[in-house]
Amino acid sequence: NAGVTQTPKFQVLKTGQSMTLQCAQDMNHNSMYWYRQDPGMGLRLIYYSASEGTTDKGEVPNGYNVSRLNKREFSLRLESAAPSQTSVYFCASGIPGQGVERAFFGQGTRLTVV
Amino acid sequence: QKEVEQNSGPLSVPEGAIASLNCTYSDRVSQSFFWYRQYSGKSPELIMSIYSNGDKEDGRFTAQLNKASQYVSLLIRDSQPSDSATYLCAVNRVSNYQLIWGAGTKLIIKP
Repeated sequence: NAGVTQTPKFQVLKTGQSMTLQCAQDMNHNSMYWYRQDPGMGLRLIYYSASEGTTDKGEVPNGYNVSRLNKREFSLRLESAAPSQTSVYFCASGIPGQGVERAFFGQGTRLTVV
Repeated sequence: QKEVEQNSGPLSVPEGAIASLNCTYSDRVSQSFFWYRQYSGKSPELIMSIYSNGDKEDGRFTAQLNKASQYVSLLIRDSQPSDSATYLCAVNRVSNYQLIWGAGTKLIIKP
C-alpha cells in the first residue's frame, strides 16, 4: 500500500525555470492538497481539490497552478520559479465528511530556486 | 492573531518524564482537532485526534480538549528519545472543512 507518492524528492531550479510536481494516491480519497512548509511557518495550503474536476485556491496560491488529472493524481506547476518558492512541498490526500478532515502526506519535495 | 498557535520551542524534557505540548485556536465552532508528529526531513504523521471535551488516551499519548478555553494539549508519558520531533497541531475549520495548522513545537527528549 503506497499511500501518497510524490515526485521528485529533490529539485534545484534556476530563477525563471518551470517544473511540475507530481502526486498520486491509491487510497481512493476525494480530497487532495498541496502545502508548502517553511521554517517557523507551519504548513500553508497552496491549492486543494475537493473532488475530481474541481480545484480551489488556498492561502498562498500566487505563482502556482494545479491540475487534478483524475481521482488519483494532483499535480502542482511552477510556471516561472522564484527564490521565494524555495521550500518543502507536501502533497496530501484526505477524507472529508462530518467536519472530520484527516490528511495523509506524501514524503515531500525539497525545492531550491537559485 | 493566528488561527492556531503553538509555542515553537524547543521544549526540552528528560527521558522518562512527561512532555506537555499546548495549542490554542481562534475558531470557536471548530469540532475536530489533530496532533501530527514530524521527524526532521520527514512528512507529518497523524498520532492523535480528539473531537469531544476531556481526555483521550492512546498508549503513552493523551490528548486533552477544552472547547470553552479553545485549548488542546498533548501529553506524552514516559518520554523516549524517539519522541524527539516537531509536533503540529491542526484544527478543522468548519466553514470549509480545511485543516488549519499551527507552526509546530519542537520537542527534544534528553537521555
